[in-house]
Amino acid sequence: EAQVTQNPRYLITVTGKKLTVTCSQNMNHEYMSWYRQDPGLGLRQIYYSMNVEVTDKGDVPEGYKVSRKEKRNFPLILESPSPNQTSLYFCASSLSISYNEQFFGPGTRLTVL
Amino acid sequence: AQKVTQAQTEISVVEKEDVTLDCVYETRDTTYYLFWYKQPPSGELVFLIRRNSFDEQNEISGRYSWNFQKSTSSFNFTITASQVVDSAVYFCALSTTGNQFYFGTGTSLTVIP
Repeated sequence: EAQVTQNPRYLITVTGKKLTVTCSQNMNHEYMSWYRQDPGLGLRQIYYSMNVEVTDKGDVPEGYKVSRKEKRNFPLILESPSPNQTSLYFCASSLSISYNEQFFGPGTRLTVL
Repeated sequence: AQKVTQAQTEISVVEKEDVTLDCVYETRDTTYYLFWYKQPPSGELVFLIRRNSFDEQNEISGRYSWNFQKSTSSFNFTITASQVVDSAVYFCALSTTGNQFYFGTGTSLTVIP
């Protein structure tokens, strides 16, 4: 089954404790992206990647890191999480840049205390 | 700057009524793509439609229809004879040659039985 998977689905952590949210897709997509969804703000793009070893900042990259060492994986790293990073996070992938629709993962609900 | 505006935050309709969700976008690019996504209460994001900037034909898919007007920079979504299963948050999104995606803040639609 074609899908985007994210782990964990739910995470409660404390300020400053490094964490990684994994994202994997099995569709051989080139483009992958991370978003955060907050009430009243919609989805905002954090980082995106056009291919292996190619990543770029979205609208809200501060406090986040990403890497794209393999085509299928695009982990999101919070080196020192803060309460303002409490949010619902979505990973997405698409066949190519811009033109194709994105397939979204199920979301990761992160709470930073 | 790229921007998507969904001015309607929440809409409630009675079942079988028609409803139109508004989307206004801003971009200086001549090539761009517009999307609609649905987020039901279960939380996943579901792709509904893509339209490119060179195709102003309206689209109809069952009870759903989309009206794209470049003259007013709008890409509105109409649900005919709404049903309870249409209750969801609907997002309009824009992508351009800059490889980023821009989402609106979403419209929460409630269909009352």
